[in-house]
Amino acid sequence: GENVEQHPSTLSVQEGDSAVIKCTYSDSASNYFPWYKQELGKRPQLIIDIRSNVGEKKDQRIAVTLNKTAKHFSLHITETQPEDSAVYFCGGSNYKLTFGKGTLLTVNP
Amino acid sequence: DAGVIQSPRHEVTEMGQEVTLRCKPISGHDYLFWYRQTMMRGLELLIYFNNNVPIDDSGMPEDRFSAKMPNASFSTLKIQPSEPRDSAVYFCASSLGTGSNQPQHFGDGTRLSIL
Repeated sequence: GENVEQHPSTLSVQEGDSAVIKCTYSDSASNYFPWYKQELGKRPQLIIDIRSNVGEKKDQRIAVTLNKTAKHFSLHITETQPEDSAVYFCGGSNYKLTFGKGTLLTVNP
Repeated sequence: DAGVIQSPRHEVTEMGQEVTLRCKPISGHDYLFWYRQTMMRGLELLIYFNNNVPIDDSGMPEDRFSAKMPNASFSTLKIQPSEPRDSAVYFCASSLGTGSNQPQHFGDGTRLSIL
């Protein structure tokens, strides 16, 4: 089955800086890669996703890049704000979704 | 759209008791997923249904766990008998298709504590 590795497990940045979270996957047949944000005590919420026929996708301050050859994908958050502080999960899916272990992002004012 | 609705939000019970978690998916969604979240193991898929039929239950930890979906708007996850190591947050999610190409929408979860 699919195995998704996520790094780093914790990330601390200053407000206004950029944050990058990286994931690798094992199943070359995986074709869908979502990113979820989970605030403390809340449910995971989808923030952006990318499919295997696309190399990059942007939504305002958030972007995701996908390298199918290397089997890795990354989340980029620019101009970080304190409200970006949360746990971020990447996922890889062929027929079912496997999540990475999560990255705790802290944005310091 | 009310989103995915789970109940109860919190459950505290003693080991050995039966626990039933409930989920109502988003209307029109034909896939339903049950996840368990712990600090040690992260978000784990337990089982998922398509059109009320269980498709993959390989993530169900052991026979003490069972899940049903009697109709398109209701699913249960049952633990009998419960053990302290079952303490976790259990999420239900639904989607229009498999995770291969459709986003999954999560409920608010049930925080389960087994004493």
